[in-house]
Amino acid sequence: DIQMTQSPSSLSASVGDRVTITCRASQTISSYLSWYQQKPGKAPKLLIYAASSLQSGVPSRFSGSGSGTDFTLTINTLQPEDFATYYCQQSNRTPWTFGQGTKVEIK
Amino acid sequence: QVTLRESGPALVKPTQTLTLTCSFSGFSLSTSGMCVTWIRQPPGKALEWLARIDWDDDKYYSTSLKTRLTISKDTSKNQVVLRMTNMDPVDTATYYCARSVFTGPRHFDSWGQGTLVTVSS
Repeated sequence: DIQMTQSPSSLSASVGDRVTITCRASQTISSYLSWYQQKPGKAPKLLIYAASSLQSGVPSRFSGSGSGTDFTLTINTLQPEDFATYYCQQSNRTPWTFGQGTKVEIK
Repeated sequence: QVTLRESGPALVKPTQTLTLTCSFSGFSLSTSGMCVTWIRQPPGKALEWLARIDWDDDKYYSTSLKTRLTISKDTSKNQVVLRMTNMDPVDTATYYCARSVFTGPRHFDSWGQGTLVTVSS
């Protein structure tokens, strides 16, 4: 199975900050990488697919980059509604595995 | 509009078999490229991919759970069923179903709201 490793596991940030989360795959996954946001008690919500494509309706302060094994999710100008847990997920090879999550908390 | 909804028992006893149903609308699982996946999340923990069924009836399972899982579909009813045998308290989790399109970036673009299953005697 392809292992997905996110860093950091958690971070504290302030409204207006720029936040970067990284995701590393244990083998190359081309650009089959998605990012999801999850708030407590809710289903995950798709933010980014194909490593850098913004899902319709998602604010443009979210962006993704990378290919191969190393990927990044960036949130520019963090908003109060962005405090949540973020997961990366690969879909290059079955089983389609998730990272362990990164919790973004209020500083 | 694509919607998915999970249903099943909220409580199961250890060693019992869990049966969950994902009922969906807005797409057909007979359409080329369509897939439905089951994903679970223990309380306070990360998401875990469980099983996927494709439009052509191909089925894929978690490496660690494949001996306990069976996924099936009823295209006429727009339903996907997951069965998990020999339930244990560590299987307590919220279970989600999600849609993806294999002929493309393969992301989960639509999710159900999830159903919490507690395993306890």
